[in-house]
Amino acid sequence: SQQGEEDPQALSIQEGENATMNCSYKTSINNLQWYRQNSGRGLVHLILIRSNEREKHSGRLRVTLDTSKKSSSLLITASRAADTASYFCATVRLEWGETSGSRLTFGEGTQLTVNP
Amino acid sequence: NAGVTQTPKFQVLKTGQSMTLQCAQDMNHEYMSWYRQDPGMGLRLIHYSVGAGITDQGEVPNGYNVSRSTTEDFPLRLLSAAPSQTSVYFCASSRDGRLYEQYFGPGTRLTVT
Repeated sequence: SQQGEEDPQALSIQEGENATMNCSYKTSINNLQWYRQNSGRGLVHLILIRSNEREKHSGRLRVTLDTSKKSSSLLITASRAADTASYFCATVRLEWGETSGSRLTFGEGTQLTVNP
Repeated sequence: NAGVTQTPKFQVLKTGQSMTLQCAQDMNHEYMSWYRQDPGMGLRLIHYSVGAGITDQGEVPNGYNVSRSTTEDFPLRLLSAAPSQTSVYFCASSRDGRLYEQYFGPGTRLTVT
């Protein structure tokens, strides 16, 4: 089963509005990462937040992490039509073992549409 | 840097055929991985490698083989293609599979008829 689950599955907003996407996960993590995927393209890394961090910013992006609730949110402020894409959260589990800690597990994504 | 490159971009196979999807990176990353993405779903890990000569299975390894003879290359082999393997395949690389972000290739869209 998927480790991360995004909510909502789809989000449609007007240009200039803020967009908030949420991610929940099930097991303890080393870090959580957010990626963007434009239609027909590969994934592009946005932000990585470690388990001992609570908030991170990058330009118009703000990511929060609540390890007690096993959840994260991605906020895009002042959205633009170019932000239209699918957004995925991915977690790296806190597991011991030679190679088991190398697995990045993706959620199913949120499809964001920003209307001009 | 070219980053992560994948070939081919598109491929159509008949059931039972075999083929190799190529992946290369020029960032000297130790960690490389293969994912498949099916419609409306996230990415699922097929196989990964933490360095030359070392590979391990991911979540959905059946029907696929990998090898890592060099740091740069990580080919994915489909042994006997099945319609269930119709998907988009992404290769990714990273300095470290746990602590750093991954860089993705543009993908290979595979159709098995």
